[in-house]
Amino acid sequence: KQEVTQIPAALSVPEGENLVLNCSFTDSAIYNLQWFRQDPGKGLTSLLLIQSSQREQTSGRLNASLDKSSGRSTLYIAASQPGDSATYLCAVSHHMNNNAGNMLTFGGGTRLMVKP
Amino acid sequence: SAVISQKPSRDICQRGTSLTIQCQVDSQVTMMFWYRQQPGQSLTLIATANQGSEATYESGFVIDKFPISRPNLTFSTLTVSNMSPEDSSIYLCSVGRETQYFGPGTRLLVL
Repeated sequence: KQEVTQIPAALSVPEGENLVLNCSFTDSAIYNLQWFRQDPGKGLTSLLLIQSSQREQTSGRLNASLDKSSGRSTLYIAASQPGDSATYLCAVSHHMNNNAGNMLTFGGGTRLMVKP
Repeated sequence: SAVISQKPSRDICQRGTSLTIQCQVDSQVTMMFWYRQQPGQSLTLIATANQGSEATYESGFVIDKFPISRPNLTFSTLTVSNMSPEDSSIYLCSVGRETQYFGPGTRLLVL
């Protein structure tokens, strides 16, 4: 059974710092890995998707890397801002055989607070 | 991308009652997924809803407790039956073949 772990569980940093969030998974036979952001009382917003054949993806100040063989991914946030304060979730998918969708296994999340 | 709406956005219910949550997608999709997020926890998959067939439930979830309907390619419902306070959670639906898109969630409090 796939297990996904995120470290740290919570992180508080001053504005402007670069930071790294970690995600590890036990079964390397994944289809892809996705990072999400969840604001309090809100749903999930997809940040980055990394296919199993890829090593990294970038979007603005965000960079996500994937080392499938070691079962690890990191989300790098550059020059953090108070607006980045949220819970960050990583999730790995195992492709459905009929190519109709992906089931996700989520990590426990990292609660990030960026102080002004 | 996909735009997903859910109804209701939140509800407070008495134990022993049932609540049906609706999920509407702006495009036709083969599969829809229902997740539960208990307070302070991450998301757990409840079931996969495939149009035209019975839903597939994950370990720990049963059809009698969480019946699901999938009448067409843009709509699904999840019913939380005979509720207890332990069912207080956020319930989310999602779709996607690569990137997964989530609805805003239904926040349920059972008293």
